[in-house]
Amino acid sequence: AQTVTQSQPEMSVQEAETVTLSCTYDTSESDYYLFWYKQPPSRQMILVIRQEAYKQQNATENRFSVNFQKAAKSFSLKISDSQLGDAAMYFCAYRPLTGGGNKLTFGTGTQLKVEL
Amino acid sequence: DTAVSQTPKYLVTQMGNDKSIKCEQNLGHDTMYWYKQDSKKFLKIMFSYNNKELIINETVPNRFSPKSPDKAHLNLHINSLELGDSAVYFCASSRGHDYEQYFGPGTRLTVT
Repeated sequence: AQTVTQSQPEMSVQEAETVTLSCTYDTSESDYYLFWYKQPPSRQMILVIRQEAYKQQNATENRFSVNFQKAAKSFSLKISDSQLGDAAMYFCAYRPLTGGGNKLTFGTGTQLKVEL
Repeated sequence: DTAVSQTPKYLVTQMGNDKSIKCEQNLGHDTMYWYKQDSKKFLKIMFSYNNKELIINETVPNRFSPKSPDKAHLNLHINSLELGDSAVYFCASSRGHDYEQYFGPGTRLTVT
């Protein structure tokens, strides 16, 4: 069974600084998708960034980028120029490429605080 | 223009009652899901439907019964509610096996 581990329950960052959230996963599949979701206090789940495992290039979305290390099964999220609006719970998630019914497996989340 | 909507957003009820949560998506997606987020914020899938057919049924008590009257709707009915059912329930949808799932705003269920 696939598992996703986020070892940092909480992280803090100063506004305008950079922070990296860690995620590791376990799978026997060679092709899959990885995601970072953001959940602000409004509770809405918002997709931040996605990575296809068959792509070697790390995904980037504006201030958000990932460091995908397939061999190490590591998928960290870097947030640059942190803003107050980035404060939220961040979830790493895994999804197999085929099969599994498109099921997302989530990590336990990292609560990010942004300080002035 | 809400993509995935859930009603109600908040639900407070007593143990033993039966309740339903409704989900609707206007994205034209054919796959819908229910996830449960517990008090520690852990998210886990409960059910998945594709074209009204049950695809995923995780180890969920049979007091929980999803119903999909059409591709745009996936409702969750819960019988004999228990304290442990208190959680936030999220509906989501996707276009078949497309990788992006769109989530609804969640329904916070509180069982007293």
